[in-house]
Amino acid sequence: DVKVTQSSRYLVKRTGEKVFLECVQDMDHENMFWYRQDPGLGLRLIYFSYDVKMKEKGDIPEGYSVSREKKERFSLILESASTNQTSMYLCASSLDRGHQPQHFGDGTRLSIL
Amino acid sequence: AQSVTQLGSHVSVSEGALVLLRCNYSSSVPPYLFWYVQYPNQGLQLLLKYTTGATLVKGINGFEAEFKKSETSFHLTKPSAHMSDAAEYFCAVSGSEGNTDKLIFGTGTRLQVFP
Repeated sequence: DVKVTQSSRYLVKRTGEKVFLECVQDMDHENMFWYRQDPGLGLRLIYFSYDVKMKEKGDIPEGYSVSREKKERFSLILESASTNQTSMYLCASSLDRGHQPQHFGDGTRLSIL
Repeated sequence: AQSVTQLGSHVSVSEGALVLLRCNYSSSVPPYLFWYVQYPNQGLQLLLKYTTGATLVKGINGFEAEFKKSETSFHLTKPSAHMSDAAEYFCAVSGSEGNTDKLIFGTGTRLQVFP
């Protein structure tokens, strides 16, 4: 089974801090994704990566950046955290063959105070 | 542009009753469709997927979905609800406009099961 591991289940940070969310997958998937999930809004794509050092903006990239130095690891960075970034963050991965299902981690619930 | 609409943000059923969660999609190309389930404090888990071929797709935990092109629908059903089915369910369509690896998700339906 595919395993997608997010480094923290719960995280509390202060406004203005630089925040790192880490995600690791163990199935050699080419694609990795970061979403945020908010009640009533479903999942919104922040960034995705289709190869090492390659990334594309999703629907809501403002205030975020990403890093993918190794194939198995995809990091989401909040450059200067703000209270409106309090949310559930989900990482996912998939094969690079088109129309593949994505496999999700358990999420990181991030609170910005 | 592709989109997914899930009718009803909350659905409540009694244990043993039929579960019906509605999903309609919009796509300019033949769609690839997915249903995911999210239990409290967990990530999303794939229930089933439609690619091509048979329009009735069976998934895990007794769920199934039927692709109806004429109605642009992909509704999720289960004949008899169990308490453990209480969760949030998401319908998704895979991207076609430039990137077939992206998924477009609906806003989700929360299923409550009463004893």
